[in-house]
Formats: sequence, structure tokens, C-alpha cells
Amino acid sequence: ILNVEQSPQSLHVQEGDSTNFTCSFPSSNFYALHWYRWETAKSPEALFVMTLNGDEKKKGRISATLNTKEGYSYLYIKGSQPEDSATYLCAFNRFGNEKLTFGTGTRLTIIP
Amino acid sequence: DSGVTQTPKHLITATGQRVTLRCSPRSGDLSVYWYQQSLDQGLQFLIQYYNGEERAKGNILERFSAQQFPDLHSELNLSSLELGDSALYFCASSDQLQETQYFGPGTRLLVL
Repeated sequence: ILNVEQSPQSLHVQEGDSTNFTCSFPSSNFYALHWYRWETAKSPEALFVMTLNGDEKKKGRISATLNTKEGYSYLYIKGSQPEDSATYLCAFNRFGNEKLTFGTGTRLTIIP
Repeated sequence: DSGVTQTPKHLITATGQRVTLRCSPRSGDLSVYWYQQSLDQGLQFLIQYYNGEERAKGNILERFSAQQFPDLHSELNLSSLELGDSALYFCASSDQLQETQYFGPGTRLLVL
């Protein structure tokens, strides 16, 4: 894999259900994987930065895992709420390079 | 509110013109990044400055230039504007290299 790929592109989830989506990235010279939450008409908001293989981070009902050897990260949302509706972006940077390469995001819509 | 400010919020101009977008990073952040978000495209990295010096360059056109001033604010100059330059331009800042980037609210540019 040469770039960051996110799947699915969009997702509709019933309020109260849990969901997850994937970010795949090149594993060579990996330094960090970032997750951002981007609500319409706002700016991307940082959720997590992960650097170590096997890292797990949690913020309320949202958590993320990282596998640097196979080049993927999962974002989980437990008990989805309408305010979780947003586009979730992942980005990675290589060791020695501050440039973030972003995926095109997963657009999540929570159905009340 | 991330602490990063961008002006103006919206800009409408004509082809061939030149505009300047301004960004003030979070207090204490030395790194400033510029991104472009075009329709149906992910966030594209343009350029990064660190403490006044250019540090990394992405897919930035020759018609575009940027600088970071001694007070750490940054300006992105877009010249000979074309219709395809219409996009959302984000600035982000971070306090350490390769750490979380905090995004400003963006400047929406429309070239007519």
C-alpha cells in the first residue's frame, strides 16, 4: 500500500449501535498514526496519536487500535450518538518527516 | 476552539488575481502547516514552516508561496488564480515536530 486508505467511505449507523472502521497505511518507516474527527462547517479535531505497535487509545466511547506491522488501525465507537456524526480522518507520517498524509475519510451518519 | 486562527473566513475573487491567507498558530507552537481541501479530495499537504524556516514541501504549485514571520504567524500567497484553486485552505500548528496538529477554521476561497 502506497497511501492511506480508509474504509468504508460512508456509513449509516442506528443510534445506540456500535461501529468501527479501518485505516490502512504503508508500514515502512512508520512513525505515527493520527485520527481526526471532522464535523461539517468546523475544522478537524485531533482524537488520537498512536506510535507503538499494539497501542490502544480511548476517549469516552471512542477507541482506536494500531498494528504497525501490517499497516492498519481501527477506530471503534461504542453506543453511537447523533453527535458522533462526522467524517473521521486518519493520517500517518513517516519517521523523520512531519508531513501528514491523510486518507479521504469515513463519513459517519448516526440515525436517531 | 483549537487556538489556531485564520483570516479571512471566506474570500471570493476572480481568475488571475492574487490573494493572501493568514494564519496565527496556537501560542507557543513553532510549526505551521498549510493544507488544501478541494471538492472530493482529501486534505492535501502544501507546505510546512518551523520557527521561520521552510521545513517540508508537498504538492504546492509554483504560483503559491508561503512564509512564516518572526512572530510565528504565517501567510499563504496564491497568485494567478484559476478556477481550480477554489478550495478550503487549512492551517494547522503543532508545538513539537511530528506531534498532533491543531487545525484552524479554514479559509474558503472561491475563484470566479
